[in-house]
Amino acid sequence: GAVVSQHPSWVICKSGTSVKIECRSLDFQATTMFWYRQFPKQSLMLMATSNEGSKATYEQGVEKDKFLINHASLTLSTLTVTSAHPEDSSFYICSARPDRGQETQYFGPGTRLLVL
Amino acid sequence: KQEVTQIPAALSVPEGENLVLNCSFTDSAIYNLQWFRQDPGKGLTSLLLIQSSQREQTSGRLNASLDKSSGRSTLYIAASQPGDSATYLCAVVPLGGATNKLIFGTGTLLAVQP
Repeated sequence: GAVVSQHPSWVICKSGTSVKIECRSLDFQATTMFWYRQFPKQSLMLMATSNEGSKATYEQGVEKDKFLINHASLTLSTLTVTSAHPEDSSFYICSARPDRGQETQYFGPGTRLLVL
Repeated sequence: KQEVTQIPAALSVPEGENLVLNCSFTDSAIYNLQWFRQDPGKGLTSLLLIQSSQREQTSGRLNASLDKSSGRSTLYIAASQPGDSATYLCAVVPLGGATNKLIFGTGTLLAVQP
């Protein structure tokens, strides 16, 4: 089956530092990947759509200069939280949609970020 | 703006019971609807996907129905087991979107007591 990995699974950092999260599709190619954020006891909210070879599309209210997305290849997208602050502490989940025409998205296991 | 709501927010049942989870959405212009399972602190597992032209989908003990005109979907779990304990999320893909982005509901936290 289709597998999506995320690294790291959890990270603790000091306020003001930048954190990079990787999302990889292990056994399929994905031109399109998605980044979600989930605060405690809330549902997933789409942050941005990552497109290989072009700029990411950000949802309303998401700062593109703070959440940098790079879709470097057909199997890798990275999310960098720049100058992280405690309010950025959240559970970040990526998903990837296979290029071979399937409509479903496959989700990574998530990355828990805690900013002190 | 599409909004997805799930009722109840939490549900506790004894093992063996059949149960129904509800999902409603405000805009019937959807491409498909999907049910997911999320275990604590983990990612999502897709359970069932229903196209807008379909009425229901079944997988094992799970059955999902879709009434697009009324903006409702239900997930039926038969003979519940403790291993079914998780948060269940429904999500819709709005029509007209170029990238099939998902809009998630608020989730139902299910606890099946042994």
